[in-house]
Amino acid sequence: DAKTTQPTSMDCAEGRAANLPCNHSTISGNEYVYWYRQIHSQGPQYIIHGLKNNETNEMASLIITEDRKSSTLILPHATLRDTAVYYCIVRAGGSQGNLIFGKGTKLSVKP
Amino acid sequence: KAGVTQTPRYLIKTRGQQVTLSCSPISGHRSVSWYQQTPGQGLQFLFEYFSETQRNKGNFPGRFSGRQFSNSRSEMNVSTLELGDSALYLCASSQRANTEAFFGQGTRLTVV
Repeated sequence: DAKTTQPTSMDCAEGRAANLPCNHSTISGNEYVYWYRQIHSQGPQYIIHGLKNNETNEMASLIITEDRKSSTLILPHATLRDTAVYYCIVRAGGSQGNLIFGKGTKLSVKP
Repeated sequence: KAGVTQTPRYLIKTRGQQVTLSCSPISGHRSVSWYQQTPGQGLQFLFEYFSETQRNKGNFPGRFSGRQFSNSRSEMNVSTLELGDSALYLCASSQRANTEAFFGQGTRLTVV
């Protein structure tokens, strides 16, 4: 079973920041938080991951709370092409590789 | 650098037949995982291979099998196809088992 809880759907205005929350209250000390997204009918795309420090790359920022029970993925300037299903996944470092996907958040970016 | 390549992209098979899907990982990646995606069940893990060895397996019947070759390319096979096997089959590769995975575009299998 997925270890994360995400809202089913969210809307965001084009050009504004999209903040996607994820709850992972049972996360263990050695588990990382990964974010992927899937645009319709394509393979999932890796976005970012982190353990306890905030992370930023060219696509997004990941903010993890101090107690690690929740996190937020931030797309700083959402575009129409960011419309997708976003998956938050927790996974142990050194795990055997399988990702357990929940239902994710359907983000709709509107003009 | 080329991404993960899956072939074929689309496939139509008849119930009872078998099918083989192919995945070429990103160069240098030794871990390959397979997933099934259906509207009802979402994305579900099938199995993972690392250096030609199956390291993990999801909860699927024995009709689903796979293998990995010495060049890290992988194949999955489904025998005695059922209508419920209609799905998008996705392959992901990573450098090691615990690093970020990169997915291919998938093979859309339709069983009629």
